[in-house]
Amino acid sequence: GNSVTQMEGPVTLSEEAFLTINCTYTATGYPSLFWYVQYPGEGLQLLLKATKADDKGSNKGFEATYRKETTSFHLEKGSVQVSDSAVYFCALMDNFNKFYFGSGTKLNVKP
Amino acid sequence: DAMVIQNPRYQVTQFGKPVTLSCSQTLNHNVMYWYQQKSSQAPKLLFHYYDKDFNNEADTPDNFQSRRPNTSFCFLDIRSPGLGDAAMYLCATSTRSGRAYEQYFGPGTRLTVT
Repeated sequence: GNSVTQMEGPVTLSEEAFLTINCTYTATGYPSLFWYVQYPGEGLQLLLKATKADDKGSNKGFEATYRKETTSFHLEKGSVQVSDSAVYFCALMDNFNKFYFGSGTKLNVKP
Repeated sequence: DAMVIQNPRYQVTQFGKPVTLSCSQTLNHNVMYWYQQKSSQAPKLLFHYYDKDFNNEADTPDNFQSRRPNTSFCFLDIRSPGLGDAAMYLCATSTRSGRAYEQYFGPGTRLTVT
C-alpha cells in the first residue's frame, strides 16, 4: 500500500543552519508529493508541492525535488530562522486523490 | 480572503455527551474532508465528501458521523465521545480541477472530553 516515511524528530538547529528533513514514499502509480507545515495550535498549511518526477517545489526558501529513482522528497532550506520552528509533514496524493501523511518532524530553531 | 473556517476552535464536552463540530468554506471546493489528529501524530482521515457523495474510511468508528447540507458547510458529529476521542479535528477542502489537488486546511477544533 501507499505510505510516507519521515525522519524522526525533533530536529534542533541554530539560526542560519542548513536544514534537511528526509522523506521517502511507497506508492503505486504516479503520486503527487507535498510538504505541509503546522505551527503550534494551528491547522496544516501547504508549503510546497511537486506533481511529477524531477519537479522541484519551492516556497519561502524551502525546496524539495521529486526523485522517482530513490522515491524521495527531502525538504531543504539553506538558512533557517527561529520563525521556521514548526512541525513539517510530508504527504503524497495517490491516483484516487487520497492523501497519506508522514508522522511529522518537529523542527526547533534556536537563536 | 477565501478560506476554511472551523468553529469553535476549542470545544469541551463531557464523556458520552454528543458534540458537533462545524466547518465552512468560501473556496467553493467540491471535496471536504475530516481528519483526527492526536498529539505528535499525523492527521488520520475519518471521511470525506465528494460533492454529496459520502466516503467513510474503513476504520472510522461508528461513533463518528458527518453531514454536508450544502457545498459550503460540513459537520462532524460525535455521538458518544469517549476519553480517547480527545484530539484536534481538522477540516480540509480540495477541488478536483487541475493536476495536483492540494488540500486546504482549517485551523482545527481542539476537543477535550472530561
